[in-house]
Formats: sequence, structure tokens, C-alpha cells
Amino acid sequence: GAVVSQHPSWVICKSGTSVKIECRSLDFQATTMFWYRQFPKQSLMLMATSNEGSKATYEQGVEKDKFLINHASLTLSTLTVTSAHPEDSSFYICSARRDSITKTQYFGPGTRLLVL
Amino acid sequence: EDQVTQSPEALRLQEGESSSLNCSYTVSGLRGLFWYRQDPGKGPEFLFTLYSAGEEKEKERLKATLTKKESFLHITAPKPEDSATYLCAVLRQVNTGFQKLVFGTGTRLLVSP
Repeated sequence: GAVVSQHPSWVICKSGTSVKIECRSLDFQATTMFWYRQFPKQSLMLMATSNEGSKATYEQGVEKDKFLINHASLTLSTLTVTSAHPEDSSFYICSARRDSITKTQYFGPGTRLLVL
Repeated sequence: EDQVTQSPEALRLQEGESSSLNCSYTVSGLRGLFWYRQDPGKGPEFLFTLYSAGEEKEKERLKATLTKKESFLHITAPKPEDSATYLCAVLRQVNTGFQKLVFGTGTRLLVSP
């Protein structure tokens, strides 16, 4: 299989605090991982592409200082939402690409963030 | 501008009533078309990848086809457990060594018993 996990599955935090979300590929190594954001009844919007051992590539309009991404190993990428505000409340989903030939991305179960 | 359009936006079927979902795209540097299924509050589940026009893939009651401008997801004799949002995504080449998925807005399918 190709299993991707995320932790936590949901989190509630106060405005101004930072939240870290972990994304792990459980049964394969992923040199590339992706972070998406999804608003209710909307599709997935790519936030950034994370490559193991190098800096993430952010999409236009995504603040790199607000959404810190670290891809420290071939099975783990983290997204830290710094100084979270209510408008950061959303469903965050990560994905991992198992190989560079098929290019298929396998998605995690998502993390729902609510900032009060 | 790259666009992925899915239709219909929502579809209600009776159990056993076959139908098709459409995904049309205008993307430069297409490197593949993907179909995913997404249940409420969960991440997308991979279904199929199609790479070239004329290609077809099947899995249980689902069959995906691809032309140069669109893809269809055919659902044969659906069951209530097929109810979900079906997402289409195209993989485009952004620059050398960098590709990204562009998602459509999905088709919400509801299959009634």
C-alpha cells in the first residue's frame, strides 16, 4: 500500500499561538511531499512542495514565514502555522509522492485547524 | 491559464443507475490525469492515473477514460457506498524538475438505496 498519516487530526488553538502538523509516509520513502489547504465545499489548493533536505517551494500568495515547512527525513514533513489567526482555520492535507515515475500522490487524512 | 472543470457539480443516482462524471481540462505540459475519491472530512483516496489519450483504467464499478481534452469516470451500477466527492486533477510541468497537481472542484455523488 501507500499509507500517509497526519497528526493531529484536529486542533483548536487560541489566536497568536503556533501549531505544528506532522505528515508521515508509513510504508514508503517520499523525497517529495506536498501541503494543501481546503475550504468547505472547495477543492484542494496547493500551498507548498516540500523536498527532503532542501527548502520548500511555496505557491504564489502563500507566506513562507507564516507557514513553515520542514522535510527533515524521507518519511516526515511538518507544517507549522505560526501566530495563527482565525482566517487560518481550514482543513490542511498533506500528500507524499512514492516515486518519480508514476508521480502518484497519496494523501493523508487531513488536519482540521480551528483558531479562536 | 490552466483550468480543470468538473461536471456536474452534484449528481444524485438511484442504486444501480449507471452514469458518468466529466473532467475537462486546458493545461499546458500535461503529465498525467488523476482521479481521487474524497469522503467528508477525509483526505483524497487515489483511484486512477491516466497518461495518454485512449487510455482506460478499471476498478470494480469504476472506469476512467481519457481523451486529449477530457476524462470521464464511468460508474456502473453504483451502490450507496460509492457516495463521495470525486476529484479530478491534472499534473502539469511547471519548470524543469517541478510538477504540480491542479485540482477540479469535484463532483458530489449521492447514491440512494
